Amino acid sequence: DTEVTQTPKHLVMGMTNKKSLKCEQHMGHRAMYWYKQKAKKPPELMFVYSYEKLSINESVPSRFSPECPNSSLLNLHLHALQPEDSALYLCASSEQGLRAFFGQGTRLTVV
Amino acid sequence: GIQVEQSPPDLILQEGANSTLRCNFSDSVNNLQWFHQNPWGQLINLFYIPSGTKQNGRLSATTVATERYSLLYISSSQTTDSGVYFCAVERRSGGSNYKLTFGKGTLLTVNP
Repeated sequence: DTEVTQTPKHLVMGMTNKKSLKCEQHMGHRAMYWYKQKAKKPPELMFVYSYEKLSINESVPSRFSPECPNSSLLNLHLHALQPEDSALYLCASSEQGLRAFFGQGTRLTVV
Repeated sequence: GIQVEQSPPDLILQEGANSTLRCNFSDSVNNLQWFHQNPWGQLINLFYIPSGTKQNGRLSATTVATERYSLLYISSSQTTDSGVYFCAVERRSGGSNYKLTFGKGTLLTVNP
């Protein structure tokens, strides 16, 4: 099973809402990632978790808050987002530094 | 940080044609991967290829690490090959970084 599952697939939220994106993998990978992708641009790394600890935060605004409850799950909590945060949010996992597998993404629209 | 350049930026083919996509990178890398992003946004991992040559069906890839480039070959293209092809690299400088840097991609359109 080489699947990374993300929910929801689409999300529309207001600027005062709080929502969460979820990501799950059962490949036993110990590294998990959040990427943000704007239209016609490459994915940009936001966060890396390694062995359930945050190892990279690419200077992401605090309105994005990651969480890794266990080795299979990764969440991204969203609060007070801006319209410019509308994007495709991609979760990925890999065995340390090896082949990365991506989920289908969550298309987020902030209104 | 490491720079990744992909060429060409856009490519239009007729079904059945062959193509070569190129990825140049500015420094030695520990990790190089090719991805295909379909029109629905799904990123599919095609190859993990920090060096050498690999083949998977109609696709093959070659990385010449000493010369800092990688090539992705698509033979007998099909309309389902359309989408964006990304090269992504990682240069590890101590510790556990696992940070993939993506190129800007090649947008491939295969016409019937």
